[in-house]
Amino acid sequence: DAKTTQPPSMDCAEGRAANLPCNHSTISGNEYVYWYRQIHSQGPQYIIHGLKNNETNEMASLIITEDRKSSTLILPHATLRDTAVYYCIVRGVNSGYALNFGKGTSLLVTP
Amino acid sequence: ETGVTQTPRHLVMGMTNKKSLKCEQHLGHNAMYWYKQSAKKPLELMFVYSLEERVENNSVPSRFSPECPNSSHLFLHLHTLQPEDSALYLCASSRQPSPDAEAFFGQGTRLTVV
Repeated sequence: DAKTTQPPSMDCAEGRAANLPCNHSTISGNEYVYWYRQIHSQGPQYIIHGLKNNETNEMASLIITEDRKSSTLILPHATLRDTAVYYCIVRGVNSGYALNFGKGTSLLVTP
Repeated sequence: ETGVTQTPRHLVMGMTNKKSLKCEQHLGHNAMYWYKQSAKKPLELMFVYSLEERVENNSVPSRFSPECPNSSHLFLHLHTLQPEDSALYLCASSRQPSPDAEAFFGQGTRLTVV
């Protein structure tokens, strides 16, 4: 399984875009990039995932570089309720069934 | 609301007790998972069921016993637990146990073993 590297913490002002980076330089061609978030003591919440192309849904956008070695999760208009730990996960056939959550990025959205 | 419901939300049990955690999904999924999240540690996968058959058991002690009677329900039976088993236990489900099928989590059961 490819490992991911994320900054341990980030701040964002309410109403601004939050751009969360993730490095996955050892990703292989059949591995997907997933993003989840976890608000304190709650279950992880699925946000978005992609293989090669950029993806967008009602929650966020996922931008994957052409070489697939890094990606960025974009929350277009952050709110206080977006304060959470965000996990970037690479998942492929070699990971078996697990989503391997690392330490993630703790995002603090401030008023 | 993710479509995955766990009960109870909180549980305190003694080391000699027997209790069960319940998970129900209303998403029509075929795969269900148990994860454990200890304080300040990443989530750890415990068990995976696909079409009611256990397909993965990640070296979990026998004091944790899963049961999947049908594709919508998953149980985790607990007996003679230790205080270090205190953690947040999370259930998840996905269409199938494959890399391109997103998993949805319940809110978890906060277990305290005294």
